[in-house]
Amino acid sequence: GAGVSQTPSNKVTEKGKYVELRCDPISGHTALYWYRQSLGQGPEFLIYFQGTGAADDSGLPNDRFFAVRPEGSVSTLKIQRTERGDSAVYLCASSLRGLGSTEAFFGQGTRLTVV
Amino acid sequence: LAKTTQPVSMDSYEGQEVNITCSHNNIATNDYITWYQQFPSQGPRFIIQGYKTKVTNEVASLFIPADRKSSTLSLPRVSLSDTAVYYCLVVGQTGANNLFFGTGTRLTVIP
Repeated sequence: GAGVSQTPSNKVTEKGKYVELRCDPISGHTALYWYRQSLGQGPEFLIYFQGTGAADDSGLPNDRFFAVRPEGSVSTLKIQRTERGDSAVYLCASSLRGLGSTEAFFGQGTRLTVV
Repeated sequence: LAKTTQPVSMDSYEGQEVNITCSHNNIATNDYITWYQQFPSQGPRFIIQGYKTKVTNEVASLFIPADRKSSTLSLPRVSLSDTAVYYCLVVGQTGANNLFFGTGTRLTVIP
């Protein structure tokens, strides 16, 4: 596809369960970002990949959160032992080079609800 | 990362020009000023980016004074479809590469 694709679009899970959220970036984009957004707030940075490596994971809230991008394209955000406070929209973005002067393209997000 | 300050909300009537000002007093020499727009249930969308003076595209204009400590996003003749949240970001070309979003400005266009 032409844009950033995120699956699933909605995910409801029970407290304590494990979830995986997938992001397919725009082909050729080396930089990939994960954010989460709560109602009424701006997107909160989680992690940034340049190629296969996590260049900045300072936004991950704790060790229950982990993200991979093994081949430098698709990325998966993994959340262990989910808590109700993890409920949010998780956004993925990609950009051509990852520098500040290039535009980032966002997906539609995955709405995660932990019950 | 340079912190930004912008109004929480603004209202405007259709057809008017809207100017949203953002303060970024600690902007660094290599930083760019970037604006994103977000509609409900969608991810943010890039609007415009600039370094100094004025930048214009088909959607908006961006005015940056010489000291670069503030910037103004100008939306000409807004329509109801411009109702959205607008985020001002200051982004460096080196070092930290994450994009920091504040709470943004919620623009409501009134018929």
